[in-house]
Amino acid sequence: GESVGLHLPTLSVQEGDNSIINCAYSNSASDYFIWYKQESGKGPQFIIDIRSNMDKRQGQRVTVLLNKTVKHLSLQIAATQPGDSAVYFCAENQKGAQKLVFGQGTRLTINP
Amino acid sequence: GAGVSQSPSNKVTEKGKDVELRCDPISGHTALYWYRQSLGQGLEFLIYFQGNSAPDKSGLPSDRFSAERTGGSVSTLTIQRTQQEDSAVYLCASSPSGWIETQYFGPGTRLLVL
Repeated sequence: GESVGLHLPTLSVQEGDNSIINCAYSNSASDYFIWYKQESGKGPQFIIDIRSNMDKRQGQRVTVLLNKTVKHLSLQIAATQPGDSAVYFCAENQKGAQKLVFGQGTRLTINP
Repeated sequence: GAGVSQSPSNKVTEKGKDVELRCDPISGHTALYWYRQSLGQGLEFLIYFQGNSAPDKSGLPSDRFSAERTGGSVSTLTIQRTQQEDSAVYLCASSPSGWIETQYFGPGTRLLVL
């Protein structure tokens, strides 16, 4: 069935280093992908999105890469800060469908 | 505040009781969504309201779950005869018009069924 999953459930990085969070998806019909950040006790917060006609998109300190050949999505966070500590979710939308399918999430911990 | 609000923030109930969870979307947003998030899991879609259209209820896990949206604004998610497996965080989100756009989430209601 359809699934969106993550390679690593937890990730620890040093403050100032770059972080890479990965996501695999299995539905080749998905045409829109989103990364959300969820801090403890809060709802998910939109970070960045990308459509399937692109392979890279950059925001402020974040970059999303999409590799449709291997159905892989990644979120890169540059110069991670303590405030980046959170759980990060990828989500996909299948073209024509009106549902977002969320992955399990990766917990990012920043070490001082 | 201008964000999505939910109430109560926490709810503890006994197995078999009914609960109502409330969501106030961002003013002017026509689309409203409910999700369920179990501990350590991603978000599970429950139901989607868009304007005056019939809601997409395809994600509701059983007929004990229902939701309504009055006047195109406030929404209530009702769980009847709660079970322990209903324990989760229930998240509401809204967006200006539909799916392929940013959804703004509320803080969630943490439901614990004893």
